[in-house]
Amino acid sequence: KQEVTQIPAALSVPEGENLVLNCSFTDSAIYNLQWFRQDPGKGLTSLLLIQSSQREQTSGRLNASLDKSSGRSTLYIAASQPGDSATYLCAVQSSNDYKLSFGAGTTVTVRA
Amino acid sequence: GAVVSQHPSRVICKSGTSVKIECRSLDFQATTMFWYRQFPKQSLMLMATSNEGSKATYEQGVEKDKFLINHASLTLSTLTVTSAHPEDSSFYICSARDRLAGATGELFFGEGSRLTVL
Repeated sequence: KQEVTQIPAALSVPEGENLVLNCSFTDSAIYNLQWFRQDPGKGLTSLLLIQSSQREQTSGRLNASLDKSSGRSTLYIAASQPGDSATYLCAVQSSNDYKLSFGAGTTVTVRA
Repeated sequence: GAVVSQHPSRVICKSGTSVKIECRSLDFQATTMFWYRQFPKQSLMLMATSNEGSKATYEQGVEKDKFLINHASLTLSTLTVTSAHPEDSSFYICSARDRLAGATGELFFGEGSRLTVL
């Protein structure tokens, strides 16, 4: 069974600092990995999707890397802003049954 | 990006009543939609996979008769929590994938529905 772990569980940084969020998974048989943002009491917003054949994806200040063989992904957020405060979730899609497995998330607070 | 609309966003009901939650893909068609449940500060747990025109596939431990899923069209799936009890109180989120993107395309989520059973 796929297990997804996100470390740290919570992170607080001053505005302007770069953020590094980690995601690890136990089974490397995946189709893709997706990063989401969740605001309190809200649904999930897709940030980046990395296919298993890719090493990284970039969108604006966001960059996500994927090392499938070691079961790791990292989400970098450059020059953080208070509006980046949210919970960030990663999810991997298994190539065995197409199902997504989610991590518990990293809750980020960016202080003004 | 693709939009998934979920309604209602919040619902409070008495124990023993049934509640229906709708999930709509607004600008794409989805042959498959997914229903998740999320407890506070925990990960999303897949409850069932909703398939257009056929029966839903439920995850182990999820009661089919308690959580009725109907996927009558390519843009609408509904989750009905029957005879709700306080332990059913949770945050329910649906998601969908554009059928043109295939089984490994990007997944889009609704805004979630907060169910409180008194």
